[in-house]
Amino acid sequence: DAGVTQSPTHLIKTRGQQVTLRCSPKSGHDTVSWYQQALGQGPQFIFQYYEEEERQRGNFPDRFSGHQFPNYSSELNVNALLLGDSALYLCASSPGLAGGPYLADTQYFGPGTRLTVL
Amino acid sequence: QKEVEQDPGPLSVPEGAIVSLNCTYSNSAFQYFMWYRQYSRKGPELLMYTYSSGNKEDGRFTAQVDKSSKYISLFIRDSQPSDSATYLCAMSAGGGNKLTFGTGTQLKVEL
Repeated sequence: DAGVTQSPTHLIKTRGQQVTLRCSPKSGHDTVSWYQQALGQGPQFIFQYYEEEERQRGNFPDRFSGHQFPNYSSELNVNALLLGDSALYLCASSPGLAGGPYLADTQYFGPGTRLTVL
Repeated sequence: QKEVEQDPGPLSVPEGAIVSLNCTYSNSAFQYFMWYRQYSRKGPELLMYTYSSGNKEDGRFTAQVDKSSKYISLFIRDSQPSDSATYLCAMSAGGGNKLTFGTGTQLKVEL
């Protein structure tokens, strides 16, 4: 089992550019969530995808958008990059409600993509 | 006020010590409680997962939840240098909901 994978590992962009980050969930998981982790902080929830639709969204501007594909993999897009978008972007997958009520919230994280905006 | 409060540390202990890590929270809707371990520049690794109040033990790790006090703890027995990492508490309201994290406590176990 490969677990959650993310690409790329590192990315350097300049202000105003756009970026796309990719995530493949753990085998058997159908729900993907994205988090932003600034240095020295806990992860902050961006949004969650289930059945190719955005199911929940955190307090992030519309510059942050996403997509989920039929194979459950997901992309995070960020437009008009700001210096403050520099962070570790984490993807997490979970079995969702198909895993039963007890396991629905068990989220497994990938290694993250470190984004630096100059 | 943050929904989840966690002392950022750093916490330094000698090898073999018992470590106690704690979080408090304000949202009564939280029912599921998790502890993650995060090594430097890596993704968080799920350590413990508990539902509602009570204790759960897994090897050297014990998780405690006291919903009446809105307080959760993680105990690490016989701590090892390899336990040196940042420990994040996380919680959710259930039903496949989002996780809300604390800021993380940085732990160093010294030889």
